[in-house]
Amino acid sequence: GNSVTQMEGPVTLSEEAFLTINCTYTATGYPSLFWYVQYPGEGLQLLLKATKADDKGSNKGFEATYRKETTSFHLEKGSVQVSDSAVYFCALSNAGGTSYGKLTFGQGTILTVHP
Amino acid sequence: DAGVTQSPTHLIKTRGQQVTLRCSPKSGHDTVSWYQQALGQGPQFIFQYYEEEERQRGNFPDRFSGHQFPNYSSELNVNALLLGDSALYLCASSLGVGGAFFGQGTRLTVV
Repeated sequence: GNSVTQMEGPVTLSEEAFLTINCTYTATGYPSLFWYVQYPGEGLQLLLKATKADDKGSNKGFEATYRKETTSFHLEKGSVQVSDSAVYFCALSNAGGTSYGKLTFGQGTILTVHP
Repeated sequence: DAGVTQSPTHLIKTRGQQVTLRCSPKSGHDTVSWYQQALGQGPQFIFQYYEEEERQRGNFPDRFSGHQFPNYSSELNVNALLLGDSALYLCASSLGVGGAFFGQGTRLTVV
């Protein structure tokens, strides 16, 4: 079955530091890949997505590239801000087959950014 | 566009009771999925509704049931509540497979 593995957290950084959160996946076929962010007390917000190999998703300074050869979708940001403090979830969805867009999530990575 | 709205936001129930959670999808979305997020964990897929029918189901017992109405809104029902059902319940709506939009969730506490 499908699975997503994220790097262990929590991650603590100083403002303006470089961020990488690792994500690897196991899936059949050609899944779509997503990063969601959850701020304290809120639901999940779609941060970025990529639907095929070598696609790069980007939004609000965050980027992630769909690497089929390494089954990875690592999240990066060049300079984090205090406002980026949140929980980040990597997820996948099979576009075809019988999954009908069901999302499989990683366990989440807590990011804390200090001034 | 109000996005995905869920009600209520918080709920406290006693073990053995039944609960109904509600979700209105984002405008134009025809598919509603429900997820359970335990504290400190990623969301787990419960089931998905499309055209008023359950299209796919995750690994949850029959105590969890749902419904989708002609206007695409949806309900999640949980019977015979257990302490372990305490969680954040998230509704997500989508159109096709472009990625889901989530509501704020309903925080259910079973005591």
